[in-house]
Amino acid sequence: GDSVTQMEGPVTLSEEAFLTINCTYTATGYPSLFWYVQYPGEGLQLLLKATKADDKGSNKGFEATYRKETTSFHLEKGSVQVSDSAVYFCALNDFGNEKLTFGTGTRLTIIP
Amino acid sequence: EAQVTQNPRYLITVTGKKLTVTCSQNMNHEYMSWYRQDPGLGLRQIYYSMNVEVTDKGDVPEGYKVSRKEKRNFPLILESPSPNQTSLYFCASSSSGQATDTQYFGPGTRLTVL
Repeated sequence: GDSVTQMEGPVTLSEEAFLTINCTYTATGYPSLFWYVQYPGEGLQLLLKATKADDKGSNKGFEATYRKETTSFHLEKGSVQVSDSAVYFCALNDFGNEKLTFGTGTRLTIIP
Repeated sequence: EAQVTQNPRYLITVTGKKLTVTCSQNMNHEYMSWYRQDPGLGLRQIYYSMNVEVTDKGDVPEGYKVSRKEKRNFPLILESPSPNQTSLYFCASSSSGQATDTQYFGPGTRLTVL
């Protein structure tokens, strides 16, 4: 079946540091890939997505590229801010599955 | 404002006392779904609905019921809650349920079953 493996947390970085959160996936079909963010006390919000190989999703300075050859969708940001502190979820939606399959989440804390 | 709403946001109940968590969306979406979030497990799908009167089981449906009588509403029913259903619950919707669609999530309902 489908699965998503993402970097174990928690991750703590200083403000303006470079961020990478690794995500790899296993899918039987050709999935769409997503990063969702959950700020404290809130629901999940879509951060970015990519629907085919080599697509790059980007939003709010975050980027991730759909790499079919390595089955990966790593999240990156060049300079993090305190306001980026949240839990980040990598997810996939495979054709015919009618659901999102999530990773376990990575808690990110940015210190000033 | 386009949104998914859930009520209640917080609920503490006792074993065996039936409860309903409501979910409503104002985006005219065909697809709706319920997930539960547990530490170390991410989110797992409970039930989903592709349209009115069409529902199907997700990965963890045991102990839950749903109904889809109207397009905008998708309530989650726990007929006899048990402590292992203590969790954070999210409702989500998308325009058609296709793999490329973005799913929009509600704010969550934190349920504690004593």
